[in-house]
Amino acid sequence: DAKTTQPNSMESNEEEPVHLPCNHSTISGTDYIHWYRQLPSQGPEYVIHGLTSNVNNRMASLAIAEDRKSSTLILHRATLRDAAVYYCIRMNYGGSQGNLIFGKGTKLSVKP
Amino acid sequence: GAVVSQHPSRVICKSGTSVKIECRSLDFQATTMFWYRQFPKQSLMLMATSNEGSKATYEQGVEKDKFLINHASLTLSTLTVTSAHPEDSSFYICSASRGFLNTEAFFGQGTRLTVV
Repeated sequence: DAKTTQPNSMESNEEEPVHLPCNHSTISGTDYIHWYRQLPSQGPEYVIHGLTSNVNNRMASLAIAEDRKSSTLILHRATLRDAAVYYCIRMNYGGSQGNLIFGKGTKLSVKP
Repeated sequence: GAVVSQHPSRVICKSGTSVKIECRSLDFQATTMFWYRQFPKQSLMLMATSNEGSKATYEQGVEKDKFLINHASLTLSTLTVTSAHPEDSSFYICSASRGFLNTEAFFGQGTRLTVV
């Protein structure tokens, strides 16, 4: 049970921002939110993660709702290389070894 | 960034034979590695957790005698698919992370196994 809900697919135009939503309404206080993406025929790639505060890195931004029941991955300017399946994953570190349980993810298509 | 390397990237084998897939952490030591399987148009499914120096932990429904995991060093885990059958054809992916808390996972490139 992935315990997160994402839209099956989204479309974006090249060089426009993309907001990928994720619902995790049953999240616990010690769960981190991780985002990974997978390009065709490749292993997943780490994108970003956070706990409560919004996070930024060179790839994306992560906006976490105040009640932590949802989050949004923001790609500021989509490129064709960003076309991938994006996975939003809850990760609890309380005694776990950090294994990831993948849901179905959101398939992002980017149009030129 | 840290790199996890898998080998081979593609393999075709005959039904009934065994295939070994290697997963290496190239620039960090990984006491724990994870093996996933992905069927076409589906998500990744965790198969097992590979623990350095001890037995692997398998997820429910994964046959430990069929999918042999060996984690003999801090940088190498191997997955052997024994007596492979066409239904074992899949994309196998390994991952590793530097530690337990608040760390990202690094994934290998994946191995496409086709059993004919």
